[in-house]
Amino acid sequence: AQKVTQAQTEISVVEKEDVTLDCVYETRDTTYYLFWYKQPPSGELVFLIRRNSFDEQNEISGRYSWNFQKSTSSFNFTITASQVVDSAVYFCALSEGGGSEKLVFGKGTKLTVNP
Amino acid sequence: DARVTQTPRHKVTEMGQEVTMRCQPILGHNTVFWYRQTMMQGLELLAYFRNRAPLDDSGMPKDRFSAEMPDATLATLKIQPSEPRDSAVYFCASGLVVSGDNTEAFFGQGTRLTVV
Repeated sequence: AQKVTQAQTEISVVEKEDVTLDCVYETRDTTYYLFWYKQPPSGELVFLIRRNSFDEQNEISGRYSWNFQKSTSSFNFTITASQVVDSAVYFCALSEGGGSEKLVFGKGTKLTVNP
Repeated sequence: DARVTQTPRHKVTEMGQEVTMRCQPILGHNTVFWYRQTMMQGLELLAYFRNRAPLDDSGMPKDRFSAEMPDATLATLKIQPSEPRDSAVYFCASGLVVSGDNTEAFFGQGTRLTVV
């Protein structure tokens, strides 16, 4: 069975601090996809990134970066120089297929960035 | 700007009443999902469709929930009769699967259901 664990329930930082959100996953599939979604206070779920199991290259997008390590079954998300607008709940998710297959979500990490 | 549209955004109803939630997927997407979000369970899949055919509805309580796609531009989720434990945010999402490609799922803004 697939499972995603986000051990950090809540994180609070001060603006401009770097913060890393942890994600550990379990799956028996050799082909799978990992995702991060952001849920701001307004409530919608916003797609951030998708990674497939064959691509372990780290990715950077502006202040966001992702570290995928199959050896530890982890897909961690780092925000550099955090801003108040980054305050949200962040979800890590796993899919056995591509992005349009069913997702198994972690419980989410609530990030609060204080001015 | 293509987006998934859900109606209503908020619904308060009395226990025992029928509730219908609607979703308009992004035009051209062939996969539609219904997820439910609660504090206790988090985000969980209720059902999903591809090309309007149900692929998996194992997460849905069959006795009171039903999901349909009357056409490619409309998905519905019905609860009859509703119960207080159904109070949650219900998300619809859509994506596209074609040979050799597979997009991420795009989510609507959700329907916040309160059953009193």
